[in-house]
Amino acid sequence: KNQVEQSPQSLIILEGKNCTLQCNYTVSPFSNLRWYKQDTGRGPVSLTIMTFSENTKSNGRYTATLDADTKQSSLHITASQLSDSASYICDGSNAGKSTFGDGTTLTVKP
Amino acid sequence: DAGITQSPRYKITETGRQVTLMCHQTWSHSYMFWYRQDLGHGLRLIYYSAAADITDKGEVPDGYVVSRSKTENFPLTLESATRSQTSVYFCASSEWSTVSGELFFGEGSRLTVL
Repeated sequence: KNQVEQSPQSLIILEGKNCTLQCNYTVSPFSNLRWYKQDTGRGPVSLTIMTFSENTKSNGRYTATLDADTKQSSLHITASQLSDSASYICDGSNAGKSTFGDGTTLTVKP
Repeated sequence: DAGITQSPRYKITETGRQVTLMCHQTWSHSYMFWYRQDLGHGLRLIYYSAAADITDKGEVPDGYVVSRSKTENFPLTLESATRSQTSVYFCASSEWSTVSGELFFGEGSRLTVL
């Protein structure tokens, strides 16, 4: 069964600090991995999409990495802002089917 | 720039009633999806559609019915709502299948079944 596990479940950081969110996936065959940001009460919004051959992808202050050998991905947020407070969801897909993690809830405090 | 819209955003109903959640997209994307999001389960696929008149079951299809007579619309019907169907429902669309395409989500429909 395909699985995506994210850690930590929740995280609190101070504004301006960096943080890294983790995603471990067991998806076979593996096609690509996506990270989404979901604000409270809103739908998920895509941050990055990486195929199995890509190691890193950036979107502004968000940088995702992928290690297809260890089946791990991370999302690094640089110089956090209050608006980064949200749930971050990892999605591993294969053959047109996505498996979503439960998400990491990030709170950025002033 | 409407994108993908869902209605209603909030709905309260009673057990046994029929409920239809609407989804409309303006991009003419081929693929459309319905997910439900519950605490502790992440997003789970209910049904998806690759094109008009083509639909297929996802991970949790029981108790739901979909149709897609037009490319832009993908309604989800709960024929006889149960309390376990209390959830937040998200519609999504993609130009391609999720193998390579970006998923665009609606704002969600929060359904409460009493």
